[in-house]
Amino acid sequence: NAGVTQTPKFQVLKTGQSMTLQCAQDMNHEYMSWYRQDPGMGLRLIHYSVGAGITDQGEVPNGYNVSRSTTEDFPLRLLSAAPSQTSVYFCASTIGDTGELFFGEGSRLTVL
Amino acid sequence: DAKTTQPNSMESNEEEPVHLPCNHSTISGTDYIHWYRQLPSQGPEYVIHGLTSNVNNRMASLAIAEDRKSSTLILHRATLRDAAVYYCILPGSQGNLIFGKGTKLSVKP
Repeated sequence: NAGVTQTPKFQVLKTGQSMTLQCAQDMNHEYMSWYRQDPGMGLRLIHYSVGAGITDQGEVPNGYNVSRSTTEDFPLRLLSAAPSQTSVYFCASTIGDTGELFFGEGSRLTVL
Repeated sequence: DAKTTQPNSMESNEEEPVHLPCNHSTISGTDYIHWYRQLPSQGPEYVIHGLTSNVNNRMASLAIAEDRKSSTLILHRATLRDAAVYYCILPGSQGNLIFGKGTKLSVKP
């Protein structure tokens, strides 16, 4: 089992550029989410989805869009990158509220 | 959302037990207590979770106070591979897990 797969692992962008962070899971989990982690901080929720076709905002959604057209995929789009979005991004999935959350290895993004 | 309080850092010697404390005085009756850990340059990894009773698995034990306002993660024999940041987590109102700064555990050989 691959679990949760994130691509790319590293990315450098210039201010104003757009890009998509990909996330895929092969565990048939309904719940998927995106977190960001800044140095010395815990993880903060950006967006989440409780199933295909359903998405909602988390704690820090501004500057990010998501979609969930299939159970497996949950891409995160940066529409116009800003230096404040320099961070490590983690995608996660779980079977339900009290279930184990499976994380990807992270995508390290630098915005110049 | 209920919050947790953990020490910033702890040290342990290899092969000794480690008790990582967590306070969560505003926990609600239906909140599960989750523990995750994050090794350097990796994503968080599930350790254990519980509601009221003490829980054991192959990685650790979770001791939950009777009033549920605190809990302790117990690593029975710390190894160098257990050096990580340990997060004690409660669920948020959006179904997510609220990660604080966690406890950085150092393990000395």
